[in-house]
Amino acid sequence: SAVISQKPSRDICQRGTSLTIQCQVDSQVTMMFWYRQQPGQSLTLIATANQGSEATYESGFVIDKFPISRPNLTFSTLTVSNMSPEDSSIYLCSTTEGTGASQVFFGSGTQLSVL
Amino acid sequence: GQNIDQPTEMTATEGAIVQINCTYQTSGFNGLFWYQQHAGEAPTFLSYNVLDGLEEKGRFSSFLSRSKGYSYLLLKELQMKDSASYLCAVRDSNYQLIWGAGTKLIIKP
Repeated sequence: SAVISQKPSRDICQRGTSLTIQCQVDSQVTMMFWYRQQPGQSLTLIATANQGSEATYESGFVIDKFPISRPNLTFSTLTVSNMSPEDSSIYLCSTTEGTGASQVFFGSGTQLSVL
Repeated sequence: GQNIDQPTEMTATEGAIVQINCTYQTSGFNGLFWYQQHAGEAPTFLSYNVLDGLEEKGRFSSFLSRSKGYSYLLLKELQMKDSASYLCAVRDSNYQLIWGAGTKLIIKP
């Protein structure tokens, strides 16, 4: 099974600053996903990142606010730009593995608080 | 629209059995997942159903009926450490995961 190392695990940031979250996978994977989970709510997909192409963003999320890099098949970053308190959330990266992508794995998450 | 419904919260007693239901309406179906999530942690994989029927894995079992758009997660011999949120997710025809809001399970001694 894929193991994803995500960092930082948590951070407290000031309004207007940016934070970059990194995810490193211990094997090569085609697709990586970035989710947001606001307190008490379920996971919301931000974007899908494929190596060698621009990320595909879901409705309500834009590249200027959440730029994503995917330089190779084992690594991806998500930046939360020009942060506001509404961005306080848990951010999770994820990937799939197995026949029919039957296994979905998550990084350990980044708990972000914006003051 | 696409929708996943599961109860917001359930309470059960240590040593007992609990069933968490999930109903879904999605654009196509390519599998249903159950995840466990402890507070402040990432979700961890419990089960995957793509065909109708029951999948048993130790104390946890998951059932799927595609014709009814219905699944349940059955937890036996409940332990205090089973207190967590349980998330149901369905993969639609675009292979995108649609997530339920999660069921918070509280285990009492």
